[in-house]
Amino acid sequence: EIVLTQSPGTLSLSPGERATLSCRARQSVSSTYLAWYQQKPGLAPRLLIYGASNRATGIPDRFRGSGSGTDFTLTISRLEPEDFAVYYCQQFAELPLTFGGGTKVEI
Amino acid sequence: QVQLVQFGAEVKKPGASMKVSCKASGYTFTGYYMHWVRQAPGQGLEWMGWINPNSGDTNYAHKFQGRVTMTRDTSITTAFMELSRLRSDDTAVYYCARIYCSSPSCYFDYWGQGTLVTVSS
Repeated sequence: EIVLTQSPGTLSLSPGERATLSCRARQSVSSTYLAWYQQKPGLAPRLLIYGASNRATGIPDRFRGSGSGTDFTLTISRLEPEDFAVYYCQQFAELPLTFGGGTKVEI
Repeated sequence: QVQLVQFGAEVKKPGASMKVSCKASGYTFTGYYMHWVRQAPGQGLEWMGWINPNSGDTNYAHKFQGRVTMTRDTSITTAFMELSRLRSDDTAVYYCARIYCSSPSCYFDYWGQGTLVTVSS
């Protein structure tokens, strides 16, 4: 299976700062099959980015996805208070579908 | 609008079975595969498998094969996930998620709100 490793585990930042989250795959993943989700406590995950770099409907442009092959990045250019959450990457390239372990962005 | 509705919470004893439902509305139920993902308390997301609501075909993660059964009832646009021989480490929130594929990408675009299942004696 494709193992996804996210780093760091926790990112402590302040509103207005830039957040850079990493997702590394143990084997190459087509960028078309890499997605990012945001999850807040008690809620289901919400799609942010699909195809590594395409923002989902309604997602503000401060969220940017990039990367290819084995290295993918989610960047939040200026953190808003509502952005403090856990972020997961996921691959759809092959079964079993797998998620990264998550990065918690905290104040 | 697309909605995936899951109900409440359940408490089960070790060794028992659970069956979680996911009521879909706002789209053609048979047009999109439904996946199941679970999340243990304080942990990450774990994919369990999918069902094709049109054909009933399924594909399960190896970890759950032999214990999980995914079904659907198209007359009530509802998907079901049954897990048997429950253990304490099956305690988790169970989500259904619709997969949307538009060449060349796929992603989970809608999620249910989750069903908390607690396995405890």
